[in-house]
Amino acid sequence: NAGVMQNPRHLVRRRGQEARLRCSPMKGHSHVYWYRQLPEEGLKFMVYLQKENIIDESGMPKERFSAEFPKEGPSILRIQQVVRGDSAAYFCASSPGTGRLANYGYTFGSGTRLTVV
Amino acid sequence: DAKTTQPNSMESNEEEPVHLPCNHSTISGTDYIHWYRQLPSQGPEYVIHGLTSNVNNRMASLAIAEDRKSSTLILHRATLRDAAVYYCILGISSGSARQLTFGSGTQLTVLP
Repeated sequence: NAGVMQNPRHLVRRRGQEARLRCSPMKGHSHVYWYRQLPEEGLKFMVYLQKENIIDESGMPKERFSAEFPKEGPSILRIQQVVRGDSAAYFCASSPGTGRLANYGYTFGSGTRLTVV
Repeated sequence: DAKTTQPNSMESNEEEPVHLPCNHSTISGTDYIHWYRQLPSQGPEYVIHGLTSNVNNRMASLAIAEDRKSSTLILHRATLRDAAVYYCILGISSGSARQLTFGSGTQLTVLP
């Protein structure tokens, strides 16, 4: 039973390019969460999605950032026109949704480390 | 969301027990208490959670105060691999999924 899969593990982009980060949730999980961790800082919530719906994007920067979780395929976090300040580790977590959540915790992926040069 | 307070850092000697405290005086009646840890260069890892009663699993034990305003994560025999940032998180109720809110956590250093 594979865990949360994130790819790529490392991504280098030049300023102004686009970054696309992928997250495949655990089998049976229908909820996906994206977090950002800047160097030497804690994890900050960005966005919470269910299949084809954004539930809460209160942590997403208003510009250049977008997220989707299509009916088929992984969740995508897209950063357009990247700047040096976007360099961070981006983590994805998944959960089963309602009812069974209390039985075990959220499962996190190993993250994508984005470096903007 | 209810907030938690944890010490910034703690040290322990290898193979000794570690008690990591967490205060959550504004916890609501339906909030579960969850603990996660983050090893260097990795994503957070679930450790344990509970509501009212003390809980044990293969990784740790969770002791919850009777008034639920504080809890303690207990690692019975710390190893070097337990060196990580430990997060105490509230607000995950049984009936719905919602995002986790991470605080600063406690950086645990395990000394050989």
